[in-house]
Amino acid sequence: DAGVIQSPRHEVTEMGQEVTLRCKPISGHDYLFWYRQTMMRGLELLIYFNNNVPIDDSGMPEDRFSAKMPNASFSTLKIQPSEPRDSAVYFCASSFGLVGSGNTIYFGEGSWLTVV
Amino acid sequence: AQSVAQPEDQVNVAEGNPLTVKCTYSVSGNPYLFWYVQYPNRGLQFLLKYITGDNLVKGSYGFEAEFNKSQTSFHLKKPSALVSDSALYFCAVRDPMYSGGGADGLTFGKGTHLIIQP
Repeated sequence: DAGVIQSPRHEVTEMGQEVTLRCKPISGHDYLFWYRQTMMRGLELLIYFNNNVPIDDSGMPEDRFSAKMPNASFSTLKIQPSEPRDSAVYFCASSFGLVGSGNTIYFGEGSWLTVV
Repeated sequence: AQSVAQPEDQVNVAEGNPLTVKCTYSVSGNPYLFWYVQYPNRGLQFLLKYITGDNLVKGSYGFEAEFNKSQTSFHLKKPSALVSDSALYFCAVRDPMYSGGGADGLTFGKGTHLIIQP
């Protein structure tokens, strides 16, 4: 079975450029999560969707970050303009049902972003 | 609020020896607890979870974890370590009673580097 698919796997961009990260969740999953991983802060939940609707974006660091989920099989995380401190690994993850009901979140392989 | 702590940044174990990676949690209700493993340059892979029932949970690759409510712990264990077990291990918690920010996600610990020496 295909897992969560993310692209690009690696991106190097210049400060000020727009970055778009893409995610395809596991088919049939109704929750989609975007996490960010850094050495300093570990894994942070940025935003999550339920049935394509954003539920909680309280973890999004600034207005430069935005996320969309136009349909059940696709989501994007956009950074505009990008800054060096945005350099991190961005993970997309999905689950079938509420984690609060004991369901498991499955992660993609991540997008390694470097902003120079 | 929900939180989880992994008190050790790194654990070193000789191949063939038993291993333990520690995790403690803080929740207001009964927790749901998870362990994930991350190999270099890879995503997080689900290992096992505790929801309810038997306190000893068995998972992938021979790993198991023991839920201890009185000590608020969920330590990951394996009877005999392999060099291929070397990776970064994350404990995560979800408090079903928690309704604050990020409620439907998991809260992760900082991770523990497990190094298995040949």
